[in-house]
Amino acid sequence: DVKVTQSSRYLVKRTGEKVFLECVQDMDHENMFWYRQDPGLGLRLIYFSYDVKMKEKGDIPEGYSVSREKKERFSLILESASTNQTSMYLCASRVPGWKTQYFGPGTRLLVL
Amino acid sequence: SQELEQSPQSLIVQEGKNLTINCTSSKTLYGLYWYKQKYGEGLIFLMMLQKGGEEKSHEKITAKLDEKKQQSSLHITASQPSHAGIYLCGADEETSGSRLTFGEGTQLTVNP
Repeated sequence: DVKVTQSSRYLVKRTGEKVFLECVQDMDHENMFWYRQDPGLGLRLIYFSYDVKMKEKGDIPEGYSVSREKKERFSLILESASTNQTSMYLCASRVPGWKTQYFGPGTRLLVL
Repeated sequence: SQELEQSPQSLIVQEGKNLTINCTSSKTLYGLYWYKQKYGEGLIFLMMLQKGGEEKSHEKITAKLDEKKQQSSLHITASQPSHAGIYLCGADEETSGSRLTFGEGTQLTVNP
């Protein structure tokens, strides 16, 4: 079974802090994704990566950056956390082509 | 970009009742995925549909893709409290085969 893990289930940070969210997958998938999920807005794509050291902006990249130094790990970075970044963050991975994405359990981030 | 519209946004049914959730696209669906999410958790893959007229079933859940490949439905027969959660449809964007667009989700409550 594919396993996607995220570093934290719950996180509380202060405004202005730098925040790292880590995602690790164990199935050698080329593609990895970071989404945020908010009530009434659904899942929105922040960034994705086709392969190591490659990244593409999604629909809402402002205020975020990513890092993919190893194939299994995709990090989401909030350079200076703000209250409007309070959300549920979901990581996913996928083999390219017509295959499902596999999701991690999510990180619920609260920025105070 | 592709947009997916799900209906209804929420649904409350009595245990044992049948129900249907719809997912409509503004463009041709090249790959349509159904996921289930329990509150505060990640998405669990249910089924994928690709061909016009295709139908798949898993236990009491059946998903169909219409012949024109612009609408999919998810049907649950004899609903149980374990079916409760958020159901999301996701679709491959045109021929990219990599990133998915998601509907906003349907919140299902099953009362015992």
